[in-house]
This record gives sequence, C-alpha cells and structure tokens, in this order.
Amino acid sequence: ETGVTQSPTHLIKTRGQQVTLRCSSQSGHNTVSWYQQALGQGPQFIFQYYREEENGRGNFPPRFSGLQFPNYSSELNVNALELDDSALYLCASSLASGSIYEQYFGPGTRLTVT
Amino acid sequence: AQRVTQPEKLLSVFKGAPVELKCNYSYSGSPELFWYVQYSRQRLQLLLRHISRESIKGFTADLNKGETSFHLKKPFAQEEDSAMYYCALKGSGGSNYKLTFGKGTLLTVNP
Repeated sequence: ETGVTQSPTHLIKTRGQQVTLRCSSQSGHNTVSWYQQALGQGPQFIFQYYREEENGRGNFPPRFSGLQFPNYSSELNVNALELDDSALYLCASSLASGSIYEQYFGPGTRLTVT
Repeated sequence: AQRVTQPEKLLSVFKGAPVELKCNYSYSGSPELFWYVQYSRQRLQLLLRHISRESIKGFTADLNKGETSFHLKKPFAQEEDSAMYYCALKGSGGSNYKLTFGKGTLLTVNP
C-alpha cells in the first residue's frame, strides 16, 4: 500500500503566474482534500474532491481550482499568483468523505511566490 | 463558524514531567475533535480522535463540551514526544468534510 505523494516538492513562481500542484491518493482512497499552510499557521482547508466532484470549499477565491481524475489523483491550480500564496500546500486522501474517515496527509509542496 | 484555538505556541518540559497541550474550540453543533502530530521531517499524522476514547503513545484527550475544550495530556513526557501538535475539528452534517486546525503547539521535551 503506497501513501499519499505530492509533486513537486518545491516550486518558485513569480507574482501573476499560474501553478499546478499534483497529488496521488493512497491506494483505495476516493476522496482528496487540499490545505494551505502558511508559515506559523495550521493547515487551512481549501476544498475537497469526492469521486471527481468538488464536495466542499473553504474561504478561498475562485483562482484556486482543482480537479480529480478517474484514478482519484488530484491537481490544485492557482491562477494569478500573489505573494501571500507562498505556503506549504498539503493534500490528504481518505476512503470516503465524512467525519468518520481518517485523512492521510502527503508531505506537501512548498510554493514560494516572488 | 468553526474555530480552534491553541493558546500556546511553544511548550517546553523536562523528560518525565506531565504535559498538557491546550485546545479550545468554537462550534454550534456536535463536533468531532482530533489531535494531529508532526515529528521533525515527517508528514502530518493523526494521533488520536475523541470518538475513539483511546490512549495513543501514552497520550489521552477528553472532550469537555461544557468548557469546549479538548486538551491533550500525558503523565510522563518522553524526548521522542518532541513535535508539533495540532488540534483539529470536524463539523457535523453539511460541514463534516473539512478539518479546521488550530495554529499548533511546538512541544519540546528536554533531557
């Protein structure tokens, strides 16, 4: 059984650019959640995908968007990058949506916007 | 709205001393509370959840709905407990899909 993987590990982008981050779910998991963790803060929920549909969204603007593919891997896309988007982006997969299902976290992608 | 507060950014204790990491929450419904831990150079992982009412690595946490608290306790801290600890909440009903995290407490256990 493989764990949650994310790519790339680190990324540097310029303000105004677009970025795509990738996440592979743990084997057998059909739900992926994305979180943003700014320095010194706890992870903040961006959105969740369940069976390829967005299942819920946090307080993030529409320039944060996502996709989930039939193999349940996922992408997070951020357009028009701002300096405040610099953060660690975490994805977490679970067997299904809902409170009883444990979320397993990936190692994160560190995004720096200059 | 869901909110989790961890009042201590840093907590330092000596090996063998009791440790308590505080967590308070705000939520109008019936929440589910968790403690997550992140050891140095490792990924975030679940430590325990209130619904399980179990002890993991000697840690326990009791949900106190009257005080809206979910403090994490261990009677005798070990050096390997040094890590970042996050308290998290999941709502019920329509908001049961997301975790709301506190800002975390960095626990250092000194020899």
